[in-house]
Amino acid sequence: GAVVSQHPSWVICKSGTSVKIECRSLDFQATTMFWYRQFPKQSLMLMATSNEGSKATYEQGVEKDKFLINHASLTLSTLTVTSAHPEDSSFYICSAREGGGNYGYTFGSGTRLTVV
Amino acid sequence: LAKTTQPISMDSYEGQEVNITCSHNNIATNDYITWYQQFPSQGPRFIIQGYKTKVTNEVASLFIPADRKSSTLSLPRVSLSDTAVYYCLVVQNTGGFKTIFGAGTRLFVKA
Repeated sequence: GAVVSQHPSWVICKSGTSVKIECRSLDFQATTMFWYRQFPKQSLMLMATSNEGSKATYEQGVEKDKFLINHASLTLSTLTVTSAHPEDSSFYICSAREGGGNYGYTFGSGTRLTVV
Repeated sequence: LAKTTQPISMDSYEGQEVNITCSHNNIATNDYITWYQQFPSQGPRFIIQGYKTKVTNEVASLFIPADRKSSTLSLPRVSLSDTAVYYCLVVQNTGGFKTIFGAGTRLFVKA
């Protein structure tokens, strides 16, 4: 089945620094990927839709200059949290769907970001 | 995007069948119903997807009435490892359409 690999699985960074999270579709091409964040005991909140070769579409209230998304190839999307602050600490998850498949969206294993 | 409503939490015992119902009153003609399972600190995992009537796979069954305004995920003989959050999503099955998560149902299986 479709596999989405997300790296790193966890990261700790200092306030003011930037962190990049990678999301790769390992055995299929994904023209569209999605990025979510999840706080403890809450549901996933969609942050943005990443489109290969074009600009990402951000959900209302998500700062595009803070959460930079790049989808340069059909198998890789990256999310960069710029000038991170403690309130950016969260669980970030990406997803992608294999075109033509009937198995819904495949999610990465998530990245736990802690900003200290 | 169709909004979904599920019970916030459910308790069960090992070996019992668990049925989780989801309401999606404004589901559109092109929408499919998909269920995911999520364990703490992991990404959601696909369980089952359906459009109408009944779908069954090796882990669950999905029942969808004719009006498609609700769906029921059925987990046969649950075990402790089925303790997780279960999400019902309504998604257009043409790819590229964003997936909005509802609150989900927190299932707790007791010994």
